[in-house]
Amino acid sequence: EVQLVESGGGLVHPGGSLRLTCAASGFTFSTYWMSWVRQAPGKGLEWVANIKQDGSEKYYVDSVKGRFTISRDNAKNSLYLQVDSLRAEDTAVYFCARSPSRKQQLVFWGQGALVTVSS
Amino acid sequence: SYELTQPPSVSVSPGQTASITCSGDKLGNKYASWYQQKPGQPPVLVLYQDSERPSGIPERFSGSNSGNTATLTISGTQAMDEADYYCQAWDSIYVFGAGTKVTVL
Repeated sequence: EVQLVESGGGLVHPGGSLRLTCAASGFTFSTYWMSWVRQAPGKGLEWVANIKQDGSEKYYVDSVKGRFTISRDNAKNSLYLQVDSLRAEDTAVYFCARSPSRKQQLVFWGQGALVTVSS
Repeated sequence: SYELTQPPSVSVSPGQTASITCSGDKLGNKYASWYQQKPGQPPVLVLYQDSERPSGIPERFSGSNSGNTATLTISGTQAMDEADYYCQAWDSIYVFGAGTKVTVL
């Protein structure tokens, strides 16, 4: 069974940091592009970042460039999102998702991890 | 930046057909995907490459994409289809529409 399980969310002050983890199982993790997508409370979906199978290519939405870092460890079947310099507008559920390529559909999503930025 | 426009809501009676549109500049030149999201759950891919259904998605879900508009059609809508639906296209990044709430009355 394909599973993506996010962890590492929580309450953080503005300017703070968190590291989100997405643990993958049930498929060959190293053969998929992986993305982070977020959803602010009551709002729509916003793609945040993605990373190539071997980690050699990484892409970000403009609003998080320089603050967020995506990475992966294929030996541990894990995807990460280091989120720094957090702002109130970063408050959202963060989903990890897999896709066959950089541009193709997001085929399977995890349950999400809530990040709340508040003083 | 590229934008996709969806109606905020669509209402449909059980057994009838629901159509959800997604508009974007020359969207027909791109592939559209559609995701279903129920409250408290992650999105589920229901269509990709305009009209392809992933394994496990019922045949009542179909799609088209031409000109500036992609359309998700749910035929014989069931109560379980009540959800938010998001269209998505690729334009250097993944772009999502704002979502359409489908209510089955």
